[in-house]
Amino acid sequence: AQKITQTQPGMFVQEKEAVTLDCTYDTSDQSYGLFWYKQPSSGEMIFLIYQGSYDEQNATEGRYSLNFQKARKSANLVISASQLGDSAMYFCAMREVLSGGSYIPTFGRGTSLIVHP
Amino acid sequence: GAGVSQSPSNKVTEKGKDVELRCDPISGHTALYWYRQSLGQGLEFLIYFQGNSAPDKSGLPSDRFSAERTGGSVSTLTIQRTQQEDSAVYLCASSLIGGIGKNIQYFGAGTRLSVL
Repeated sequence: AQKITQTQPGMFVQEKEAVTLDCTYDTSDQSYGLFWYKQPSSGEMIFLIYQGSYDEQNATEGRYSLNFQKARKSANLVISASQLGDSAMYFCAMREVLSGGSYIPTFGRGTSLIVHP
Repeated sequence: GAGVSQSPSNKVTEKGKDVELRCDPISGHTALYWYRQSLGQGLEFLIYFQGNSAPDKSGLPSDRFSAERTGGSVSTLTIQRTQQEDSAVYLCASSLIGGIGKNIQYFGAGTRLSVL
């Protein structure tokens, strides 16, 4: 079973509007971390936002916010006031303690976001 | 440099040849990760180094793949007898420490490997 599921292969949004990118995860651990990364066409992965499993408030970083619903195991990324430069692939990732005791993050397949002028 | 540096940025090789990919992490970062990203796919974990501990090699797809990290800094990923299915972008990341918590991974721009 996939640890991280991103069900939207592609999303389109009008410039200046908000968009939500979905992410659900699967873990039996109580302690884990959730990340979102942006990968523009240049290829480099850029860290956007982090949510710890014990954080009670939703994380926010500028125009990015994470809608964390622990009971539903979802960690959706909300981008407000979309800009043309937001067009990129977006990856959700989770870090948990694996059976061998390591902490290797698992990444979803990504969502391609295109912002229209 | 300020960020994670990977070289070469592009590598074209013939099937059966060996290749070496280099990663220079951010200075002071103890954790280093290698991932593979095939076209249109997410990131596939390959190997993880944490300080002086034995590396976690659980993601290496075959014994043709190996990696080392010298002096706790620069890492080299070696692919022997390359196959066409090895064609992908190989990404390296480093973080200040490993473990749970907000240990942000900083990624390099990747090496695009093409095996003809």
